[in-house]
Amino acid sequence: EPEVTQTPSHQVTQMGQEVILRCVPISNHLYFYWYRQILGQKVEFLVSFYNNEISEKSEIFDDQFSVERPDGSNFTLKIRSTKLEDSAMYFCASSEELRTGYTFGSGTRLTVV
Amino acid sequence: GENVEQHPSTLSVQEGDSAVIKCTYSDSASNYFPWYKQELGKGPQLIIDIRSNVGEKKDQRIAVTLNKTAKHFSLHITETQPEDSAVYFCAASNNAGNMLTFGGGTRLMVKP
Repeated sequence: EPEVTQTPSHQVTQMGQEVILRCVPISNHLYFYWYRQILGQKVEFLVSFYNNEISEKSEIFDDQFSVERPDGSNFTLKIRSTKLEDSAMYFCASSEELRTGYTFGSGTRLTVV
Repeated sequence: GENVEQHPSTLSVQEGDSAVIKCTYSDSASNYFPWYKQELGKGPQLIIDIRSNVGEKKDQRIAVTLNKTAKHFSLHITETQPEDSAVYFCAASNNAGNMLTFGGGTRLMVKP
């Protein structure tokens, strides 16, 4: 069964450093998403991406965040200057159709110290 | 924006019993309601979904019901097995948005 692959599985970074979280969506999917889950809290939407541009973003997705599809297979989330409150599990997802039938990756646990 | 509330936060059942998880949503424009199962160390996995033009949908031991008037939907798992133990999330979305709004999750424990 096709999978969404996320790397690394766990990243520890110092406050103020830049991090890039990587995702390889399912190859025939057209819609890509990032969600995050702070420990003990709800899964929260960050951003959706289609046709090489952001289609929607939440209030969380401020200027510190950016997404990119640098080639035909990877989808990345960059946090420019990490803060302690960015510590969370970050999930990438992809879908063939808008909003429906998401496949999530296993997540990257980001710890900012 | 949309707000999704999920209950209970934890649920413990005996193997073979049924489990019911309930969610309410606030935005009457929501029309797509998926349920996800998350096992330890893995991402959420879609197990069943329902659209607002349907009141009930069933897939083997799993069923989902939707009451649009009351703005709530429920997940029903019958004949529970230990491998059903996981965290279950409900979510809601509408045509206007590219996003899912998730409930807070229910930790289901099935005791053998």
